[in-house]
Amino acid sequence: AQKVTQAQTEISVVEKEDVTLDCVYETRDTTYYLFWYKQPPSGELVFLIRRNSFDEQNEISGRYSWNFQKSTSSFNFTITASQVVDSAVYFCALSEINQAGTALIFGKGTTLSVSS
Amino acid sequence: DSGVTQTPKHLITATGQRVTLRCSPRSGDLSVYWYQQSLDQGLQFLIQYYNGEERAKGNILERFSAQQFPDLHSELNLSSLELGDSALYFCASSVGERGPYEQYFGPGTRLTVT
Repeated sequence: AQKVTQAQTEISVVEKEDVTLDCVYETRDTTYYLFWYKQPPSGELVFLIRRNSFDEQNEISGRYSWNFQKSTSSFNFTITASQVVDSAVYFCALSEINQAGTALIFGKGTTLSVSS
Repeated sequence: DSGVTQTPKHLITATGQRVTLRCSPRSGDLSVYWYQQSLDQGLQFLIQYYNGEERAKGNILERFSAQQFPDLHSELNLSSLELGDSALYFCASSVGERGPYEQYFGPGTRLTVT
């Protein structure tokens, strides 16, 4: 069965520190897609990134970077020089695609608190 | 703003009652998904509709049902409500039916069952 594990329940850092959020996934599919979403205190879920299983190139977007390693089934997310506005719950998700349709399987989330 | 709208934002009702949550997808999106977020279960997929037809189904209770209308908006009906149904219900939409499509989430409906 598909599964996403975010072992870090809560992380607290001080502004300007770098922080890495871990995500480990399990799937038997050879083609799959991974996602990160952010849920700020206001509650909405904000899409951050999608990664295809056949593309292991790491990605950087401003202060955000993602490290996808198929060999360890991990898709980790690093925030460089964290800011208070980065405080949120971050979810890693795996797409489950079958003949019927598509569903996202979410991890339990990591709560990031950035203090000034 | 994701472009996905959900109403109402908050809903408080009593056990045994029935409620309807409404969702309008982003313009151009044909798929609508429903998710439930609770403290104990986390974010769980309930059901997907594509262009009016039911597609993928998750751990959706028999007391829950959904549909997608010709104008592509969707409704999630929750009946015989129990205290444990209190949760944040999200609707999401995407362009396609099966594949690597990002799902864009609405602001959610917070349901409180008393």
